[in-house]
Amino acid sequence: AQSVAQPEDQVNVAEGNPLTVKCTYSVSGNPYLFWYVQYPNRGLQFLLKYITGDNLVKGSYGFEAEFNKSQTSFHLKKPSALVSDSALYFCAVRDSRRDDKIIFGKGTRLHILP
Amino acid sequence: ETGVTQTPRHLVMGMTNKKSLKCEQHLGHNAMYWYKQSAKKPLELMFVYNFKEQTENNSVPSRFSPECPNSSHLFLHLHTLQPEDSALYLCASGPGQGTSGNTIYFGEGSWLTVV
Repeated sequence: AQSVAQPEDQVNVAEGNPLTVKCTYSVSGNPYLFWYVQYPNRGLQFLLKYITGDNLVKGSYGFEAEFNKSQTSFHLKKPSALVSDSALYFCAVRDSRRDDKIIFGKGTRLHILP
Repeated sequence: ETGVTQTPRHLVMGMTNKKSLKCEQHLGHNAMYWYKQSAKKPLELMFVYNFKEQTENNSVPSRFSPECPNSSHLFLHLHTLQPEDSALYLCASGPGQGTSGNTIYFGEGSWLTVV
């Protein structure tokens, strides 16, 4: 069965430091992977996705994610965190049985400390 | 502006009321979705529509009744809800079945409180 795991409920990072939000996946076939962000009292916003090609994917707000097939991971990264990056981050994978369905992880809350 | 508009943003209703949530997308998409987001629970997919046809009902209680009159509009009709139905209801749209690299886009959500 398709699934994504976000092993950390919360990540705390000092402003200006690099950040990583972890995600691992389990799919049959080629993975289509996504990251979304949810700011307080808002809906989910699309950040980036991996379909094929370069393992390093660049997205909005300076975020990037690294696809690692051998480790079945798709970690979200940013070189220098901003306080405004504090939000809830969701990793997701397309359901290989239904190309219109996306399966979401439980989310990781990112706190950037001033 | 996300291209997906939800109204109302906030709704308080009694358990015997009937109300509706509305969603409209301006992205030319063929699929629309309802998700439920409760505190401390994972995002729950409720319904999926492709080309106005319901293609997924994720065992949602019948007190939630979706309606998709066309590919741009989606409603969620609410009737005799329970307090545990209080949550953020998110609408999303996407290209739909038969497309690759399917990215779905969300509205800002409707906060529902059942009293």
